[in-house]
Amino acid sequence: AQSVTQLGSHVSVSEGALVLLRCNYSSSVPPYLFWYVQYPNQGLQLLLKYTSAATLVKGINGFEAEFKKSETSFHLTKPSAHMSDAAEYFCAVSAPNFGNEKLTFGTGTRLTIIP
Amino acid sequence: NAGVTQTPKFQVLKTGQSMTLQCAQDMNHNSMYWYRQDPGMGLRLIYYSASEGTTDKGEVPNGYNVSRLNKREFSLRLESAAPSQTSVYFCASSEEGQAEAFFGQGTRLTVV
Repeated sequence: AQSVTQLGSHVSVSEGALVLLRCNYSSSVPPYLFWYVQYPNQGLQLLLKYTSAATLVKGINGFEAEFKKSETSFHLTKPSAHMSDAAEYFCAVSAPNFGNEKLTFGTGTRLTIIP
Repeated sequence: NAGVTQTPKFQVLKTGQSMTLQCAQDMNHNSMYWYRQDPGMGLRLIYYSASEGTTDKGEVPNGYNVSRLNKREFSLRLESAAPSQTSVYFCASSEEGQAEAFFGQGTRLTVV
């Protein structure tokens, strides 16, 4: 079984400040990990993914995430927040399961940017 | 460049009515998914299909049925809608279960 825990359902940061959204996972086998972003009234869009290559993953819009096996974490960061980053962010995990893999999501973190 | 297309976008049902949510993808993906999104609960998997002809229950399958009609299409049916099924429903597809998923725009369903 696999699961994802996102710490903090709401995060507020000032424009230009560091963005840090936390994600911890549980998986009995080496996982694939994803961050998705959802803008109001839209579907989800992939920000970045970890698939067992480099542990530091760079994504779109200046976001990056680091896979830390020892901490079972995959936190999302961005050095300088922009107003356009206001959205809901979801961490997700998938793991090998003999061709029966599925994507499991966390409960999401709503990011607010303060002007 | 359609990607994943869901219909309808909005629907209001009365308790006990039935309906089918349609989903089609044009990316030749093997895996398809139905999720529901509720405030504070993230996306919960209802059903998924790892390949054409196979379907499996997810986390919250009760009250729903699915059909993987062919490789492109994966429909979700509510046989007797209940207010607890008021939600936003998302269909998604991926090349395989561990690949990134592509999402439709969602169906906002209200059951009164």
